[in-house]
Amino acid sequence: EIVLTQSPGTLSLSPGERAALSCRASQSITSNYLAWYQQKPGQAPRLLIYGASSRATGIPDRFSGSGSGTDFTLTISRLEPEDFAVYYCQQYGYSPRTFGQGTKVEFK
Amino acid sequence: QVQLQESGPGLVTPSQTLSLTCTVSGGSITTGGYYWTWIRQHPGKGLEWIGFIYYSGNTYLNPSLKNRGTISVDTSKNQFSLKLRSVTVADTAVYYCARDPHGYGSYFDLWGRGTLVTVSS
Repeated sequence: EIVLTQSPGTLSLSPGERAALSCRASQSITSNYLAWYQQKPGQAPRLLIYGASSRATGIPDRFSGSGSGTDFTLTISRLEPEDFAVYYCQQYGYSPRTFGQGTKVEFK
Repeated sequence: QVQLQESGPGLVTPSQTLSLTCTVSGGSITTGGYYWTWIRQHPGKGLEWIGFIYYSGNTYLNPSLKNRGTISVDTSKNQFSLKLRSVTVADTAVYYCARDPHGYGSYFDLWGRGTLVTVSS
């Protein structure tokens, strides 16, 4: 199974700052089949990015995804107060589908 | 708009069967191209993909469940269901149903709110 390792575990930032979250796969992900989700406490995850770089419907353009092969990045250009949450990457190039362990973006 | 809602017992006794249903409202479960998925999240932990079903009955489950799971669909009720046999405390989790717009368990663009299932005697 593909193991996704997210780093850092926690990112302490202030509103207005730029966030860069990393997701590294244990082997190359076919067709860049990688997605990113945001989860707030007590809520279900929300799809942000699919296909490594395509924004889901209704997602603000401050969220962007990049990368290929084994290294992927989710960038939030300028953090808004509502962006403080946990972020997960997920691969769908291989079965079983797997998720990373998450990166928490917290208030500095 | 389409919404998903999980339902089922919140408490299951060890060695028994966990049964959950996801009701799809605001749209048809037979809409072409959509696959329907179960995902769980252990308390304070990350996410684990359980498996998917298509309205035709085509299904796939995560091998990590060791053949304990079954996913079924009832198109007349616009529902799909998860059964997990021989549960242990390790199956305690929030269970989510979700929609997969790309097929075969790809990414998940619509989620239910989730339901907490506790396995305990």
